[in-house]
Amino acid sequence: AQSVTQLDSQVPVFEEAPVELRCNYSSSVSVYLFWYVQYPNQGLQLLLKYLSGSTLVKGINGFEAEFNKSQTSFHLRKPSVHISDTAEYFCAVSSFSSGSARQLTFGSGTQLTVLP
Amino acid sequence: KAGVTQTPRYLIKTRGQQVTLSCSPISGHRSVSWYQQTPGQGLQFLFEYFSETQRNKGNFPGRFSGRQFSNSRSEMNVSTLELGDSALYLCASSLDRPSYGYTFGSGTRLTVV
Repeated sequence: AQSVTQLDSQVPVFEEAPVELRCNYSSSVSVYLFWYVQYPNQGLQLLLKYLSGSTLVKGINGFEAEFNKSQTSFHLRKPSVHISDTAEYFCAVSSFSSGSARQLTFGSGTQLTVLP
Repeated sequence: KAGVTQTPRYLIKTRGQQVTLSCSPISGHRSVSWYQQTPGQGLQFLFEYFSETQRNKGNFPGRFSGRQFSNSRSEMNVSTLELGDSALYLCASSLDRPSYGYTFGSGTRLTVV
């Protein structure tokens, strides 16, 4: 079984300030990690993913995330946010093994609100 | 390249009715998954289909069912609707390769009155 905890349900931040959205996961097997963004009345858009290799992952719209295996964390960061980054952000995990069924397990989401 | 298409975008149904939602995956994607999103429960996995076979099912009652056709299009059906079934239903498609991830549609907003 696996689970995801997003530590902050709401994060307000001023425009051009840096932001970090925190995500911790729990799993008994190796997992792949994802961050998705959801704008109002829309589906989920993939920001970035960690599969293996370098622990620092760069995604779209200037976002990046760092995988920390010892702390089982995958925090999302952006050095300077814009008004247009206002949205809900979801951290998700998935375990993959050859021939197995798949599913994403999501955190409860973090509402990022960028203030002018 | 067309994305994942879900129809209809909005639905209003009455308690006790049944509903069918449709999902057309990205061309070439053979894996289709369904998720339910509600304010109280968040995003929950419903089921996943691959090559017309259900490979995995989440913890939902038997009123929730689905199927996948030979062209990979998928439908999900909810029978005997309850007020608590009001949600955004999201479909995601994948190439079924570990490195690929999932592409989501815009969802179908179901309201049960």
